[in-house]
Amino acid sequence: GIQVEQSPPDLILQEGANSTLRCNFSDSVNNLQWFHQNPWGQLINLFYIPSGTKQNGRLSATTVATERYSLLYISSSQTTDSGVYFCAVVTGSARQLTFGSGTQLTVLP
Amino acid sequence: NAGVTQTPKFQVLKTGQSMTLQCAQDMNHEYMSWYRQDPGMGLRLIHYSVGAGITDQGEVPNGYNVSRSTTEDFPLRLLSAAPSQTSVYFCASSSQGQGRYGYTFGSGTRLTVV
Repeated sequence: GIQVEQSPPDLILQEGANSTLRCNFSDSVNNLQWFHQNPWGQLINLFYIPSGTKQNGRLSATTVATERYSLLYISSSQTTDSGVYFCAVVTGSARQLTFGSGTQLTVLP
Repeated sequence: NAGVTQTPKFQVLKTGQSMTLQCAQDMNHEYMSWYRQDPGMGLRLIHYSVGAGITDQGEVPNGYNVSRSTTEDFPLRLLSAAPSQTSVYFCASSSQGQGRYGYTFGSGTRLTVV
């Protein structure tokens, strides 16, 4: 099956800093999603981004499908951005998700 | 609009016991799935469903059963709990409808098998 790799595994920032999270996938995809898991464990869908660039406030995402990677940008980070960020590839008849192992982000005040 | 509701939030089982994790959604989504999350790993797919009466196995199905008698409910059954099933379990739903590309996850069930 398709492999999804994320980097870096851990990231510590000071509040106000910018960051870039990377997601590589082993095969061509039609649908890629980014999720945020907050410190209480809740998973929130951030972006549906099969290709191109999308922005939502301080967060933006870019997927270059031909080169099999996606990037999540966080600008002017806040402590509430802390948590784990997952990318996931959508496959199959029921839109099943294959997840990467995540990037643990800690934003310090 | 409750979204996806999972119960219980926490559970401790003894090895060999059985139990059912409940998942219900009120968004009329056709697709539902169960994932488990272990430390240092992403979520892994256990079972999934494309609609009432239709289920299939994911990446890690051993030791689990599912059924989907209605669009709303998708329970996950542990047949004989083992310590290796200690994990956090998430239920998710989604839809293929026009413009609806997102996923909704439940808040999770933290299961410990002793």
